[in-house]
Amino acid sequence: GQNIDQPTEMTATEGAIVQINCTYQTSGFNGLFWYQQHAGEAPTFLSYNVLDGLEEKGRFSSFLSRSKGYSYLLLKELQMKDSASYLCAVLDSNYQLIWGAGTKLIIKP
Amino acid sequence: ETGVTQTPRHLVMGMTNKKSLKCEQHLGHNAMYWYKQSAKKPLELMFVYSLEERVENNSVPSRFSPECPNSSHLFLHLHTLQPEDSALYLCASSQDMTAGGNEQFFGPGTRLTVL
Repeated sequence: GQNIDQPTEMTATEGAIVQINCTYQTSGFNGLFWYQQHAGEAPTFLSYNVLDGLEEKGRFSSFLSRSKGYSYLLLKELQMKDSASYLCAVLDSNYQLIWGAGTKLIIKP
Repeated sequence: ETGVTQTPRHLVMGMTNKKSLKCEQHLGHNAMYWYKQSAKKPLELMFVYSLEERVENNSVPSRFSPECPNSSHLFLHLHTLQPEDSALYLCASSQDMTAGGNEQFFGPGTRLTVL
C-alpha cells in the first residue's frame, strides 16, 4: 500500500528553527510537495522536490532523499504566523498526490 | 486568493436532501480535483478531471456525483448522504497532470454537515 508518515503535532518557540519530517512508501515517485494549511483555510503550496538535495526559499527549506524515502521541511526564524498544519504529499506513478495527515505546528512566544 | 472559488462555504443538509457544491477556477488550468478532508486524516482524493474528462474515481460512493461542464467549472452533486460524510470538501486545480505542472491551487472549501 501507499503510506505517508509525518508527526501529528510539534511545538516550537518563536525565533527558533524547527524540522518537520516526512517518510513515504508509494508506487512510483514523481516528486514531493509541502503545503501549509492555516486553520479554517485552504492548503497553499510551499515547495516541490523531485531531485535529491536541499531547496531553499527564504525562511523555508525542503530536503529530499529518494533512496531513503524521506523529506523534511525546515522553518527558520519562526514567527507566530507560522502556526499551521504542514502537509507532505507525494506524486505517485499515476500522477496522483498521496497525502500525509499533516503536522500541526504550534509556535509559542 | 488562489484563483479557485467554492460555493457555498458552509452547508447543512439532512440525509434525504439533494444539494450541489460548485467550484470555479480562474487560472486557465486543465485539471480539477475534489478532495474530502476529515479531522486528523489525510486528504482523500475523490475525483480528478483532466481536460473535462474524468480520469480518477477513487471508489467513492455513488451518493457523490461529479460534473465538469467545462475546464473552469466543477460540481459535486450530493444526495442521500450519511452523517459520516460531514467534512470539509476542497476543490483544487493544476496546470495539468504532469510532474512539473501538478502544483495544486485550492479553493477555500465547503464545510458540510449532514444531520
